[in-house]
Order: sequence, then structure tokens, then C-alpha cells
Amino acid sequence: AQTVTQSQPEMSVQEAETVTLSCTYDTSESDYYLFWYKQPPSRQMILVIRQEAYKQQNATENRFSVNFQKAAKSFSLKISDSQLGDAAMYFCAYRSAYNNNDMRFGAGTRLTVKP
Amino acid sequence: DVKVTQSSRYLVKRTGEKVFLECVQDMDHENMFWYRQDPGLGLRLIYFSYDVKMKEKGDIPEGYSVSREKKERFSLILESASTNQTSMYLCASSSRQGARGANVLTFGAGSRLTVL
Repeated sequence: AQTVTQSQPEMSVQEAETVTLSCTYDTSESDYYLFWYKQPPSRQMILVIRQEAYKQQNATENRFSVNFQKAAKSFSLKISDSQLGDAAMYFCAYRSAYNNNDMRFGAGTRLTVKP
Repeated sequence: DVKVTQSSRYLVKRTGEKVFLECVQDMDHENMFWYRQDPGLGLRLIYFSYDVKMKEKGDIPEGYSVSREKKERFSLILESASTNQTSMYLCASSSRQGARGANVLTFGAGSRLTVL
């Protein structure tokens, strides 16, 4: 079974600085999707960014970008110009391309943004 | 603009009580999911449903059951609540676009259940 590991339970960043959240995963599949979800203190989980494994180009959404290293099975999230509203729990997730009902989540990283 | 609605944000129940957690989505999604979120464990899938009256067990179905009588509604049932079921419960939905679809989950706000 696929597993997702987030090795940083907590991270902090100064406002306007850049922070990188780590994620590794284990799979024997060649085709899959990777996601970063954000859960603000109000608890509704929202999608931040997604990456398709067969695309070599790293996904980018405004201040959020990923570093996808398929061979290393690594999928880190970089947040540039951090804002107070970025403070949240961040979850890395893996979804098989062969079974779209099977999404695996990491344990999460709590990001604090200091003013 | 809320698309996945969970009926209760906070519930306090006693051991042995029957608990219903309701979830409604207005996006005409085929797939609906119930996850349990615990600190340090991330989200774990309890049950999912890919159609009305259809359900499949996730990773931790023990002690739970589900009901999907209408496409938009997916209920999680704790037949006899226990203290180890104290947790945050998240409902989510997604469209069914075939196995290659990068279906994004849309989540509800969560239901925090405390069992005393």
C-alpha cells in the first residue's frame, strides 16, 4: 500500500519569507497524482496545488510551487512571500491513477507565520 | 458558497449512544467519503460511496456504518459510540471521471465529536 510521510510536524516562517514543507511517498505505481491541501484553523480543507506524475514540469500556483522529484519520491511545497493567512495545517496526499477512490494523506505539518 | 455541508460542527455524546453525522453536497458528485482526522495520523478513510446505495470499506471501518439513500447525502453512523471514537470527522466528495481523472476532493468543515 502507498504511504505518505511528512517528517516535519511543525514549521514556522517569518512573514514575507520563504518556507519549504517536505513530503515523501512510497509507491510501486508509475502513474499517480500528488496534492497539497491546506487546513486553516476554521478546518475546511482546501486544495493548494496538484501535480501529475507523468508531467515533469513542477506545478505552480501563484506563491505556491512544488519540487517534484519522481525518482526520489519526493514532493515538497514551497511557499514564497509568506503571509499570515498561510498559517494552517498542510497535508500532502497521494492518489493512484488506477483507483481514484484511494487517496493517502500524510500526518500533516503545522505552519506558523510570525509577523 | 459552501458546497459540502456537515450538519454538526461540534457534538458531545455519551458512551453507547448512537451517533449520526450527516453530509450533503450540492455539486452532483458521484463519490463521497468519510475520513477521520487525528493528530499525528493525518486523515484515514472510514468508508466511501461511489453511487447511491453503494459503499465500500476504507482503512478503519470498524465501529462505523454508512448510508447513502440519495446522491447528495452521505451519513456516517456510530452504532454505539466509544471514547476511542472521539475525533474530527471530515466528509468529502469528488466527481467520477474515470481512473485517470485527477479528481480533487472537496471537503466539508468537519465535525468534532467528543464521546464521554
